[in-house]
Amino acid sequence: GAVVSQHPSRVICKSGTSVKIECRSLDFQATTMFWYRQFPKQSLMLMATSNEGSKATYEQGVEKDKFLINHASLTLSTLTVTSAHPEDSSFYICSASRGLAGGIKYNEQFFGPGTRLTVL
Amino acid sequence: AQSVTQLDSQVPVFEEAPVELRCNYSSSVSVYLFWYVQYPNQGLQLLLKYLSGSTLVKGINGFEAEFNKSQTSFHLRKPSVHISDTAEYFCAVSVILTGGGNKLTFGTGTQLKVEL
Repeated sequence: GAVVSQHPSRVICKSGTSVKIECRSLDFQATTMFWYRQFPKQSLMLMATSNEGSKATYEQGVEKDKFLINHASLTLSTLTVTSAHPEDSSFYICSASRGLAGGIKYNEQFFGPGTRLTVL
Repeated sequence: AQSVTQLDSQVPVFEEAPVELRCNYSSSVSVYLFWYVQYPNQGLQLLLKYLSGSTLVKGINGFEAEFNKSQTSFHLRKPSVHISDTAEYFCAVSVILTGGGNKLTFGTGTQLKVEL
């Protein structure tokens, strides 16, 4: 259980175009989804946190108009990179977590396999 | 704010030798601690986690880690590594967000390279 998928796994696009990446929780309902960005040989940097049905919360320095996040259902979140440029090329990883219940304070994140974006 | 330090960017080790990957953290509040493994071009897989209780935590693939509050450390160990353990390892801390939920902060990662 707790499988998260991402689509596409790889995408190459031209500069100026927009790219949409999907993140799906396949066997559980994800109350919260997270989007990370990872540069080569570097750590994961949290871009934004999204809760189903509400606006995403972006980390400092992340342009919300450039990285549009939609969490329309409990199993799907999308990240759209608008007007992509070569500097947006990166590995984008999503994660998903279930809702907190029963007084549990910790909410494990389950990670997707990532999407490699290359902007030419 | 919390932070995670992984001092070793690369750790070469021979197969069947023991290994320790170091992780230190700082936080003004209680944290949960994690180790993740990432194989090339893949997402993250949870190796183990410390939430509470026993400070020695056992995870998958023969890995274990010990939480040391006084030294603010959470080092990862394996007594005998295998070629298949070659991967990037990330230490992470999680704090509870206002309003619920958790936020992960990752270290910079340690590349474990197992050689014959």
